[in-house]
Amino acid sequence: GESVGLHLPTLSVQEGDNSIINCAYSNSASDYFIWYKQESGKGPQFIIDIRSNMDKRQGQRVTVLLNKTVKHLSLQIAATQPGDSAVYFCAENKGTSYGKLTFGQGTILTVHP
Amino acid sequence: DTAVSQTPKYLVTQMGNDKSIKCEQNLGHDTMYWYKQDSKKFLKIMFSYNNKELIINETVPNRFSPKSPDKAHLNLHINSLELGDSAVYFCASSQEYEKLFFGSGTQLSVL
Repeated sequence: GESVGLHLPTLSVQEGDNSIINCAYSNSASDYFIWYKQESGKGPQFIIDIRSNMDKRQGQRVTVLLNKTVKHLSLQIAATQPGDSAVYFCAENKGTSYGKLTFGQGTILTVHP
Repeated sequence: DTAVSQTPKYLVTQMGNDKSIKCEQNLGHDTMYWYKQDSKKFLKIMFSYNNKELIINETVPNRFSPKSPDKAHLNLHINSLELGDSAVYFCASSQEYEKLFFGSGTQLSVL
């Protein structure tokens, strides 16, 4: 069936380290992927997105990598800061369904000062 | 200004009651959504409206009824609340099928 999942539910890093959060998806028809950050008591906040015709996209301190061959998505955060501590979700969309994002389980990122 | 705002932020009520959650977006988006987040943080879509028309209606009990008076508003009414309805409900909006902008959530507790 269609699913988006995360390999690691928790990730602890030291301030200044780089973080990598992974996500596996099973729907090969998905053509749009998004990463969200959710802080405690808040709604998911858009971080970065990527379409299936790309394999890499960079933002401010963040990079998303897409490997369609193995259906894998990752979010890299450079020089992780305590403010990056949150739950991170990947989500996929087939593009023909209005915003019908399928969310992954979520990874809790904890950054230690 | 808040882009997607929903009220109330907290809702505590007894089983069997009827309650509503309101949502408004000032982004000019055509599409609005309701998502439910359970205690394990899993997010699942419930409904989606595009220009006031229902386009996504997932397997949700018919006790849940969305209403969109105009494309900037999407409200959620819940009848005969049950314990299992306790969750955080998020409103969101988007233009076409791209990135969704979420509200800050309504934490519903049914006692």
